[in-house]
Amino acid sequence: DTAVSQTPKYLVTQMGNDKSIKCEQNLGHDTMYWYKQDSKKFLKIMFSYNNKELIINETVPNRFSPKSPDKAHLNLHINSLELGDSAVYFCASSPYATSGGAGTKNIQYFGAGTRLSVL
Amino acid sequence: DAKTTQPNSMESNEEEPVHLPCNHSTISGTDYIHWYRQLPSQGPEYVIHGLTSNVNNRMASLAIAEDRKSSTLILHRATLRDAAVYYCILPPGGGADGLTFGKGTHLIIQP
Repeated sequence: DTAVSQTPKYLVTQMGNDKSIKCEQNLGHDTMYWYKQDSKKFLKIMFSYNNKELIINETVPNRFSPKSPDKAHLNLHINSLELGDSAVYFCASSPYATSGGAGTKNIQYFGAGTRLSVL
Repeated sequence: DAKTTQPNSMESNEEEPVHLPCNHSTISGTDYIHWYRQLPSQGPEYVIHGLTSNVNNRMASLAIAEDRKSSTLILHRATLRDAAVYYCILPPGGGADGLTFGKGTHLIIQP
């Protein structure tokens, strides 16, 4: 079983559309994250979710919203897609507050990514 | 996150050891040193982490300088599959915070 899985792997859509990317983890972790990797390959944190609470939001437009139906899922909803939203989006999870020492709790496990192309 | 500095790229031959350096001169006493790598078209993958002592696992070894201002990731026998971007990261103290990825080191393995 894949530990952190994202769907779809590829997403091609038109400007102005609304889309969602799903993420599921079967590791029993209580913290999940969304990252964006742009065309220059820089990876940047977008959100983290812990116990259904949004922990951080790094200057992400409010067109982006994470939704967590339960501890194992953190979906990313994007409204009114723009050309600049084209990127690869990665979901991740970590065992923060559930297990391990101080160094272990920060280990993050990533999904394979979703390549979003906005035309 | 404390800032880390890595070379943009390094090249090595297959089946030879590779030493990937990282400078983190502003590291605090409680900062752990984590290494991740990103293979082509894949998500980042955790490699190893340490605090003060050198660490070994099945993927690599981590050598930490005595003053902790630098560290070196060691791949003992590089294979073509190890070609990736390697990131040295000092995660924030809060475990729920995201990781700050720099540019990393693009490791090229020659057959």
